[in-house]
Amino acid sequence: EVQLVESGGGLVQPGRSLRLSCAASGFTFDDYAMHWVRQAPGKGLEWVSGISWNSGSIGYADSVKGRFTISRDNAKNSLYLQMNSLRAEDMALYYCAILDGDKDYWGQGTLVTVSS
Amino acid sequence: DIQMTQSPSSLSASVGDRVTITCRASQGIRNDLGWYQQKPGKAPKRLIYAASSLQSGVPSRFSGSGSGTEFTLTISSLQPEDFATYYCLQHNSYPPYTFGGGTKVEIK
Repeated sequence: EVQLVESGGGLVQPGRSLRLSCAASGFTFDDYAMHWVRQAPGKGLEWVSGISWNSGSIGYADSVKGRFTISRDNAKNSLYLQMNSLRAEDMALYYCAILDGDKDYWGQGTLVTVSS
Repeated sequence: DIQMTQSPSSLSASVGDRVTITCRASQGIRNDLGWYQQKPGKAPKRLIYAASSLQSGVPSRFSGSGSGTEFTLTISSLQPEDFATYYCLQHNSYPPYTFGGGTKVEIK
C-alpha cells in the first residue's frame, strides 16, 4: 500500500522556522519527482515546491522562493521542506504529493499555524 | 508564469445533470493538465491526467478534453458523491506548477 505521511507541522511564531518531513512507503521513491502543495484555511490549492528524483531539478513558487528549501533523501524514502522566515500567509495544510505521470499519491497533510 | 483561469468558481446542479468546468491557460501547455476532486477534510484526488486520460479507478462519467490553452472537465451525469470542489493543475511550465482557482459543485 502506498503511503505518504507528513509530519513536522505545528504552531510557530512569525519569523521562525519549521521543517516538514514526508515519509514514503509502498512504492519506489526514487522513481518519482515529489512536490509540496499547500492549502490555506478555506482557500484553494497552491503548489509550493517540487524536486526531481535525483534532486537535479528544483523549483519554488514565487511566494516562498528564498525562504523555503526542498530536499529529499532517497536512502530514507523521505522528502523535506525547510521553511524559514515564516509569515502569517504561510499558514496552511501542507501536503506532499506525486503530481507527474499517471500516479496520483497524496499524504494526509500536516498543519502549519503561524501566529504570535 | 502560466496563469490558469478556472470557471465557474461555483455552480449548483442536480443529480443526473451534465456538468462542465473549464480551465484556460495564459499560454499553451500542450496537454500537460490534470483535474482533481477534493472533498472537505480530504486530500485532493486526481480524476484526469494528460488532459483526457482517466485516472485508474475513476468512474467513466468523468471525462476531460482540450489541448493548448482551453480545457474542459465534464461530468456526464452528476451523482451525489460528486458534490465537491474541482481544480485543474498545469505542469507544463516549471517552475511553477499552477492550480486553477477551483470550482465548487453544490446541490441545487
